[in-house]
Amino acid sequence: ETGVTQTPRHLVMGMTNKKSLKCEQHLGHNAMYWYKQSAKKPLELMFVYSLEERVENNSVPSRFSPECPNSSHLFLHLHTLQPEDSALYLCASSQGYLSYEQYFGPGTRLTVT
Amino acid sequence: KNEVEQSPQNLTAQEGEFITINCSYSVGISALHWLQQHPGGGIVSLFMLSSGKKKHGRLIATINIQEKHSSLHITASHPRDSAVYICAVRSSANYGGSQGNLIFGKGTKLSVKP
Repeated sequence: ETGVTQTPRHLVMGMTNKKSLKCEQHLGHNAMYWYKQSAKKPLELMFVYSLEERVENNSVPSRFSPECPNSSHLFLHLHTLQPEDSALYLCASSQGYLSYEQYFGPGTRLTVT
Repeated sequence: KNEVEQSPQNLTAQEGEFITINCSYSVGISALHWLQQHPGGGIVSLFMLSSGKKKHGRLIATINIQEKHSSLHITASHPRDSAVYICAVRSSANYGGSQGNLIFGKGTKLSVKP
């Protein structure tokens, strides 16, 4: 498997559920990112990990909790979400942080009911 | 006002037409990216440039740093070019609490009819 993969591709969850999004990169990159893409809005950076350390947290509500157990894997743990959290969640990776081209995964389409 | 503005927001073209998508930005940058997003969500990086012009197949990207403007051109457009094209800039100064993160435009939705 090559590139950046994300699972699941689609997720429907209730507001009281707990679920996790998974991202895996097979590119040997050292930085990984979570983005949120809502309808009619630009991509919003949520979290950045560089060498498995969180380096960016853009005022994201605590109901979103990232985890980066190693440089190849990134998780986004979700709990007690709101309907307005429904969006496309994209993972990306890059060789290094800040100055490198980013490679995106296919995204997880999340619907909160 | 967004820091990255794209025009037009929507564009419909006939197959074979020459297409131009514009991007203007208001912050200092170290690089500008053009991305393509197909229905279904996946994003592909088309170009990363900091000056001049780059060409890849039927796609050409130009940037004018002094005017803070970039254009993406598609020659001999084809229905498979239908996608959302996103401009993103990498800020060069401390912006929004961090330097170097990507700032995205809202995208231009292109539809090429056969």
